[in-house]
Amino acid sequence: AQSVTQPDIHITVSEGASLELRCNYSYGATPYLFWYVQSPGQGLQLLLKYFSGDTLVQGIKGFEAEFKRSQSSFNLRKPSVHWSDAAEYFCAVGTGNQFYFGTGTSLTVIP
Amino acid sequence: DAGITQSPRHKVTETGTPVTLRCHQTENHRYMYWYRQDPGHGLRLIHYSYGVKDTDKGEVSDGYSVSRSKTEDFLLTLESATSSQTSVYFCACNSGVAPINEQFFGPGTRLTVL
Repeated sequence: AQSVTQPDIHITVSEGASLELRCNYSYGATPYLFWYVQSPGQGLQLLLKYFSGDTLVQGIKGFEAEFKRSQSSFNLRKPSVHWSDAAEYFCAVGTGNQFYFGTGTSLTVIP
Repeated sequence: DAGITQSPRHKVTETGTPVTLRCHQTENHRYMYWYRQDPGHGLRLIHYSYGVKDTDKGEVSDGYSVSRSKTEDFLLTLESATSSQTSVYFCACNSGVAPINEQFFGPGTRLTVL
């Protein structure tokens, strides 16, 4: 069965520091992978996606993610975090007609 | 933004009452989804639709039913609400013809069942 694991429930970083959010997936075939961000009281917004090709994908707001098949991972990174990046981040796998989401990582940014 | 609206945005109801949530989209997307979001569980799929009158169950479909009589509207019904259905409900649509494409989300409906 497909599954997505985000091992970090909550992460705190200082503004200006680098960020890496972890995502591991379980899926038999080539996955379609997504990262979404959710600000408080809002719906989910797509940050980036991976379907095929270059394993390093660029997204909005300065985020990038790297697909590593050997590790079944799709980690999200940002070189310098801004206070406005504080939010909940969800990794997802798309397969067939359905999407499977991780439980999310809550990001706090301290000045 | 796929022009997705949800109504109502907030609702408080009592156990045993029926509740219907509405999702409306303006982009003619074929695929529509209902999720619930709960702390520690992320988003879980309740039901989805792949066309008018074509729906299927997700992983947490018990106690919920859906209907899609028009492309733009996808209704989620709780026939007899229970406290365990207190949650935030999100509607989503697929952007393209292929099913594997990013989903666009509505703003959510916060439902409280007393």
